[in-house]
Amino acid sequence: DAGVIQSPRHEVTEMGQEVTLRCKPISGHNSLFWYRQTMMRGLELLIYFNNNVPIDDSGMPEDRFSAKMPNASFSTLKIQPSEPRDSAVYFCASTPGISGNTIYFGEGSWLTVV
Amino acid sequence: GENVEQHPSTLSVQEGDSAVIKCTYSDSASNYFPWYKQELGKRPQLIIDIRSNVGEKKDQRIAVTLNKTAKHFSLHITETQPEDSAVYFCAASMSGYSTLTFGKGTMLLVSP
Repeated sequence: DAGVIQSPRHEVTEMGQEVTLRCKPISGHNSLFWYRQTMMRGLELLIYFNNNVPIDDSGMPEDRFSAKMPNASFSTLKIQPSEPRDSAVYFCASTPGISGNTIYFGEGSWLTVV
Repeated sequence: GENVEQHPSTLSVQEGDSAVIKCTYSDSASNYFPWYKQELGKRPQLIIDIRSNVGEKKDQRIAVTLNKTAKHFSLHITETQPEDSAVYFCAASMSGYSTLTFGKGTMLLVSP
């Protein structure tokens, strides 16, 4: 298996622009997570899906952030409009279940908003 | 919700020494405790995990201990090597419909 696949790996964008991050989970995994990692705040869970349904989005920082999972093999995290403080590494991860299972991370999307 | 505290935030050791990283959790219902290693510029990867029905687990140079009464668990790395240098994250998860809660991470530096 190719693992969790994320794109783009790196993105530099100007403040105010829309950013879309993409994720393909491991085939057969029914739970998908979006994490944000910064030096100051560590690994933060933004949102997670189970069987394509958003279960908990309480970690989404504000309305500028939205996430979708239209099918079992694809998810997006969108930031509109982007701000410099959104600069971070965004990880997508998947697992066969919700709890008590190994979470597998993608390589991450390194976002810089200037 | 669950809260995971991790200490120390940074740890420097000499090659060959042992390293210990400690975590505490708040919810006694948590029963799964993984440890992830993240090398610079890479993704976090699972290195070892433990479930609440055991008190210790070993895998070569790494081991994890769990004290459910005290609600803390620790990662032990023996005979450290420079390639062990990385950020280590502990996490905890309750059974049922819950996710992993991560600690803030420990940056381990092993000097040759």
